[in-house]
Amino acid sequence: GQSLEQPSEVTAVEGAIVQINCTYQTSGFYGLSWYQQHDGGAPTFLSYNALDGLEETGRFSSFLSRSDSYGYLLLQELQMKDSASYFCAGHMNTGFQKLVFGTGTRLLVSP
Amino acid sequence: DGGITQSPKYLFRKEGQNVTLSCEQNLNHDAMYWYRQDPGQGLRLIYYSQIVNDFQKGDIAEGYSVSREKKESFPLTVTSAQKNPTAFYLCASKGSQNTGELFFGEGSRLTVL
Repeated sequence: GQSLEQPSEVTAVEGAIVQINCTYQTSGFYGLSWYQQHDGGAPTFLSYNALDGLEETGRFSSFLSRSDSYGYLLLQELQMKDSASYFCAGHMNTGFQKLVFGTGTRLLVSP
Repeated sequence: DGGITQSPKYLFRKEGQNVTLSCEQNLNHDAMYWYRQDPGQGLRLIYYSQIVNDFQKGDIAEGYSVSREKKESFPLTVTSAQKNPTAFYLCASKGSQNTGELFFGEGSRLTVL
């Protein structure tokens, strides 16, 4: 089957660093994306790992290890506006660009 | 501006009625998707389409139907056969570049009375 598991909730304070993990059980998988979604809004793209290793985009970094079926999103210098839900999404090699989303992690940033 | 437009934003339906959610994009993307999101949960794939006149079932296609007669448009019909249709529906599209990025519309919230 295809499933991506994430912690349901993570809490942190402003200025801190937080890591959101994503573990998956699937085959034919070639990449991992991360999305942010504020309550009631549309998901917005954050990053994409097509290869193993670390990708850095400003305050956000994402990591993928396909041998370990594991990835994470790292958020640095947390701000109140980072309070949102974060989803990992696996890119499946089905001959088409099918994405399967993880269960989602709600991040709460406090002052 | 380029983007994806979903309508209506809010929709109420009586049990037994079919409803159609609109999704239009002007990004010239070939791939389009419909996802369903329930409160506190992730996104589940309903249908997806790679090109005009072609579409495939996702993980929860039962009770839904789609069409792809134009590249820009990918409407979703929620039929009376869908047992629990109250949810937030998201349409997305993806370009051919290998950036991994899906572009989402603002969503349609369907409530069955």
